[in-house]
Amino acid sequence: AQSVSQHNHHVILSEAASLELGCNYSYGGTVNLFWYVQYPGQHLQLLLKYFSGDPLVKGIKGFEAEFIKSKFSFNLRKPSVQWSDTAEYFCAVRPSGSARQLTFGSGTQLTVLP
Amino acid sequence: ETGVTQSPTHLIKTRGQQVTLRCSSQSGHNTVSWYQQALGQGPQFIFQYYREEENGRGNFPPRFSGLQFPNYSSELNVNALELDDSALYLCASSEKEGRGEKLFFGSGTQLSVL
Repeated sequence: AQSVSQHNHHVILSEAASLELGCNYSYGGTVNLFWYVQYPGQHLQLLLKYFSGDPLVKGIKGFEAEFIKSKFSFNLRKPSVQWSDTAEYFCAVRPSGSARQLTFGSGTQLTVLP
Repeated sequence: ETGVTQSPTHLIKTRGQQVTLRCSSQSGHNTVSWYQQALGQGPQFIFQYYREEENGRGNFPPRFSGLQFPNYSSELNVNALELDDSALYLCASSEKEGRGEKLFFGSGTQLSVL
């Protein structure tokens, strides 16, 4: 079975700082990778996803993530965070071609100070 | 807004009782997945329904059961509630059995078991 580790439980940054949130997964085969975001009081929504091709994927609101297969990692980055990026971020993995469940990490709470 | 609605938003039950949670999926989506999100954790997959049939199940006991109706809305039933069942229950809908498609999450039902 697959698993996901998010090493940072809570990250606090000032506006304009750069962001990198770590995500490592464990699975022996090909995977689809996702980052979801949950803003305060809102539902989970997709930030970006990787299925195949260019390992650097760009998502909404200036976020990007890089898939490094050799490291089983899919870290989320943003060059300059804004106060509105304050949210909880979840990394998730699913075996490629599977119609079934996403396995989520435990999440990283990002707080951006104005 | 995702178009996925869940009811009720909050629920308080006592140990041993039964509960039914409801989900109305986004228009045109034929797949519904249910997730349990305990405090401080990422969502955990319970099961998925595709065209009224269970299409995958996570590591949850049989007292967690579900239904999907012809209009693709869904119910999650939990019998013999335990204290550890206290969590946010999320419903997510998608097209094409969720294969390669993103999930649209509802805002969840917060269940408290006393």
